[in-house]
Amino acid sequence: DGGITQSPKYLFRKEGQNVTLSCEQNLNHDAMYWYRQDPGQGLRLIYYSQIVNDFQKGDIAEGYSVSREKKESFPLTVTSAQKNPTAFYLCASSRGSSGGVDTQYFGPGTRLTVL
Amino acid sequence: GDSVTQMEGPVTLSEEAFLTINCTYTATGYPSLFWYVQYPGEGLQLLLKATKADDKGSNKGFEATYRKETTSFHLEKGSVQVSDSAVYFCALNGGRSSYGKLTFGQGTILTVHP
Repeated sequence: DGGITQSPKYLFRKEGQNVTLSCEQNLNHDAMYWYRQDPGQGLRLIYYSQIVNDFQKGDIAEGYSVSREKKESFPLTVTSAQKNPTAFYLCASSRGSSGGVDTQYFGPGTRLTVL
Repeated sequence: GDSVTQMEGPVTLSEEAFLTINCTYTATGYPSLFWYVQYPGEGLQLLLKATKADDKGSNKGFEATYRKETTSFHLEKGSVQVSDSAVYFCALNGGRSSYGKLTFGQGTILTVHP
């Protein structure tokens, strides 16, 4: 089955520790995205990548880092510099076409709780 | 910049009632518009989309029409079911210059009672 997987579903970390969230897709999509969701709010874009070995900051990149070494993988690291990391993190991917409609498909999410 | 405004929830309905969730947008250029649904504890699923003015997206009994004159993309369903209880997000892709980035509304919680 084609899709996007995120692991783990739930993650607990102590304050001050870095933590890496996994996102893998087998849809052969060029573009991948990371969003953060807080209760009662919409999704906010953290980072996105349109192609392997390239990525750009989104609206709330401070305290986060990413890499895109492989087309199918886009891991997100939540660093100790992120002041309020407890949230639900969603990964998405899309074909990445420069013209026409580019629909994003989402993974199941990782709920991170920092203790 | 681009923005999306959804009607505030939560919305509570009885089964078989008519549903409308309002969505208006601000964007430059020619955006594509989307409705996503999120069930408890899950990621977002694409519900429907429309890519140009007067297009109607539809899926699972839900419909939304892209109205450029009123910059709106309201979600409707004629008869809701308990299984429709979820959070609904309106979103736009601002067109070629936005490189596929989505701008989301804040989401509307829908609860349907038997």
